[in-house]
Amino acid sequence: NAGVTQTPKFQVLKTGQSMTLQCAQDMNHNSMYWYRQDPGMGLRLIYYSASEGTTDKGEVPNGYNVSRLNKREFSLRLESAAPSQTSVYFCASKVLRGGADTQYFGPGTRLTVL
Amino acid sequence: KNEVEQSPQNLTAQEGEFITINCSYSVGISALHWLQQHPGGGIVSLFMLSSGKKKHGRLIATINIQEKHSSLHITASHPRDSAVYICAVRGGGADGLTFGKGTHLIIQP
Repeated sequence: NAGVTQTPKFQVLKTGQSMTLQCAQDMNHNSMYWYRQDPGMGLRLIYYSASEGTTDKGEVPNGYNVSRLNKREFSLRLESAAPSQTSVYFCASKVLRGGADTQYFGPGTRLTVL
Repeated sequence: KNEVEQSPQNLTAQEGEFITINCSYSVGISALHWLQQHPGGGIVSLFMLSSGKKKHGRLIATINIQEKHSSLHITASHPRDSAVYICAVRGGGADGLTFGKGTHLIIQP
């Protein structure tokens, strides 16, 4: 049981390049999330998916697209990277059990856009 | 949009001290989470609270819904408790969490 996995761990892009951040969970969770973490700020929600086949915008969706490929996988795509997208990106999944929900986070992807 | 404020931003204490980290929020919530971010960057969920108090080992979390305030306490602190502690809230109708900026805790031996 690997939990939530993310690839790659580190990435450097040039402005205008595109890339996809991959996330997978093996816990059979319905809900999955993408957050970004910037220095001096709390984590902010980019997009989320409440179930397979559905996605919704979070607080900071501009410049990103997502795909919920199946129940396990939730990818985040940057079509044309900008320096403002330099950040650490975390994927998470959520389980709701007995009225309490717990989010499980991946290890993060550190992205630098030059 | 809910505003989540944590205090203090930074805290350095000696091993064995009793630690308190505070979190306040501006709008009514359905749940409040405390998370721990290790120096390596990994994030772990510690507690989810909707009322009252929870305890896990040396960690105690309390919430006062009327005052829109929560505290995380660490008893008999240890250097391995050094981490960033993050408060996050869930609103009534929206998914996803709104996060505080975190409290950077250092426990010195």
